[in-house]
Amino acid sequence: EPEVTQTPSHQVTQMGQEVILRCVPISNHLYFYWYRQILGQKVEFLVSFYNNEISEKSEIFDDQFSVERPDGSNFTLKIRSTKLEDSAMYFCASSIAGASYEQYFGPGTRLTVT
Amino acid sequence: GENVEQHPSTLSVQEGDSAVIKCTYSDSASNYFPWYKQELGKGPQLIIDIRSNVGEKKDQRIAVTLNKTAKHFSLHITETQPEDSAVYFCAARSPGSSGSRLTFGEGTQLTVNP
Repeated sequence: EPEVTQTPSHQVTQMGQEVILRCVPISNHLYFYWYRQILGQKVEFLVSFYNNEISEKSEIFDDQFSVERPDGSNFTLKIRSTKLEDSAMYFCASSIAGASYEQYFGPGTRLTVT
Repeated sequence: GENVEQHPSTLSVQEGDSAVIKCTYSDSASNYFPWYKQELGKGPQLIIDIRSNVGEKKDQRIAVTLNKTAKHFSLHITETQPEDSAVYFCAARSPGSSGSRLTFGEGTQLTVNP
């Protein structure tokens, strides 16, 4: 069964450093998403991406965040200058289409900012 | 924006008993309500969903009910098994700029005791 994959599973970085989290969505899916989950809190929407552009973003997704689909398979989330409060689990998700379709989540990348 | 509340936060049942988790949402325009199961160290796994034109949906031991008037929906698990132990999240999707953002509840830690 096709699934969303994410790398790395755990990333440790120092405050102020740039990190790139990688995702490979399900191959025939067209919509891609990033969510995050701070330890013990609910899953929060960050951004959705379709047709090589952001279709929606939350108030969390400020100028330090960016997303990209650099090739036909990868979808990345870049955090330019990490802060302690960026420490969280970051989940990538994909769906075959937009509003009416199920979103499938990857296993997540645990980001620890020290 | 949409707000989803979920309760209880923890639920402990004996194997074979039923478990019910309830969620309320705030945006009457929300039209899609998925439930995710998250096991330790893994990403959220879609287990069942319901759309606003349906009042109930069942898949083997799992069922979801939706009351649009009251703006609440519930997950019902019958004949619980130890492998049902996990954190369960409800979510709602409301038509927005792209209509694809999921808003999650706080999660319910379900423990099924053998």
